[in-house]
Amino acid sequence: RKEVEQDPGPFNVPEGATVAFNCTYSNSASQSFFWYRQDCRKEPKLLMSVYSSGNEDGRFTAQLNRASQYISLLIRDSKLSDSATYLCVVSRAQKLVFGQGTRLTINP
Amino acid sequence: SQTIHQWPATLVQPVGSPLSLECTVEGTSNPNLYWYRQAAGRGLQLLFYSVGIGQISSEVPQNLSASRPQDRQFILSSKKLLLSDSGFYLCAWSRQTGEQYFGPGTRLTVT
Repeated sequence: RKEVEQDPGPFNVPEGATVAFNCTYSNSASQSFFWYRQDCRKEPKLLMSVYSSGNEDGRFTAQLNRASQYISLLIRDSKLSDSATYLCVVSRAQKLVFGQGTRLTINP
Repeated sequence: SQTIHQWPATLVQPVGSPLSLECTVEGTSNPNLYWYRQAAGRGLQLLFYSVGIGQISSEVPQNLSASRPQDRQFILSSKKLLLSDSGFYLCAWSRQTGEQYFGPGTRLTVT
């Protein structure tokens, strides 16, 4: 079983829609949680950290449920520029463990 | 602000040839440094990480090695490349807070 599991998609949604991704992690010792975004043939870029209380950054909302060991990302009013692969990431002992990523395509 | 550089951006090397990829970080001191590989259509695999000069931890046994000769320089090497070494090589740095920041990567094709 992978330490971080995500639905690989692809998710194809129309512009303006709301889309949600979930991911689960298996190691309860995981300390910090993040969502990264990776465009095709580019490096991953930090989208946002994820806190137990939930946090929002513009159209993006992230939630963490430590008891169930899952993390979610909600994108509201999706834009064409949101098309990318979204990576769920957990950290432990100064290392990051990456999920395989969920591919999202926003259609005009 | 901090920036991270990697070169070259792309590389085509024959099987059995040596490899040296360099990564440098500016604007921070004593960062943790990381090398990852991403095979086509796959996730990121951590290869090496370093918490200080000369301190290297290897995550996956293979024909690659890493060195950190200076605080903000991290080098990935191989004496003899294999076909399976092809991939997208990414260097990253972090502070103690956990989030990592990636360089632009080197796309390596072994022929």
